[in-house]
Amino acid sequence: KAGVTQTPRYLIKTRGQQVTLSCSPISGHRSVSWYQQTPGQGLQFLFEYFSETQRNKGNFPGRFSGRQFSNSRSEMNVSTLELGDSALYLCASISEGTEAFFGQGTRLTVV
Amino acid sequence: AQSVTQLGSHVSVSEGALVLLRCNYSSSVPPYLFWYVQYPNQGLQLLLKYTTGATLVKGINGFEAEFKKSETSFHLTKPSAHMSDAAEYFCAVTPYSSASKIIFGSGTRLSIRP
Repeated sequence: KAGVTQTPRYLIKTRGQQVTLSCSPISGHRSVSWYQQTPGQGLQFLFEYFSETQRNKGNFPGRFSGRQFSNSRSEMNVSTLELGDSALYLCASISEGTEAFFGQGTRLTVV
Repeated sequence: AQSVTQLGSHVSVSEGALVLLRCNYSSSVPPYLFWYVQYPNQGLQLLLKYTTGATLVKGINGFEAEFKKSETSFHLTKPSAHMSDAAEYFCAVTPYSSASKIIFGSGTRLSIRP
């Protein structure tokens, strides 16, 4: 079966802009989690969606938001981009609660 | 609160040598524990997981890990390193009985010397 698809793979934005990243989970998976990976902070949990509802949220400012659609696809949005938002953003598709399958990520560069 | 500590940000071994990556965790509830591997410019791939039951867990690519509750450890081992094992390895714990919110260690970069 198809894996987790994240689009786009690479993105360059300017400070102050906003960006939307997309994640299509594995068919049948209803839970999606998002993570930010940076050299300084490592892998940090952003939020989790299950059946279109945010179920958990990490410690990030309100500029970071997300949503999930009825087909389980998820988007995350970052508004008013800052240089420090440059990171690899990873989406995980959750299987029956005990296993997370990760996409290849979206590399966001803010200039 | 749950946390994970990986000892050694960089480990270098010779090809054919034993690989040992150390991980200690803190959890107020019975933990689910994971090891993930990340190759350059890639996402995370699950190597193995411990949820309940047998404490010695075997994973992909010849890796295994042993859950030791008394030592709060979950070290990753492989008897004989291959060049293809060079990557970043992350130990992780989830505070719930699910993988919906995973707390990662800081990672260990494994280098293999020819």
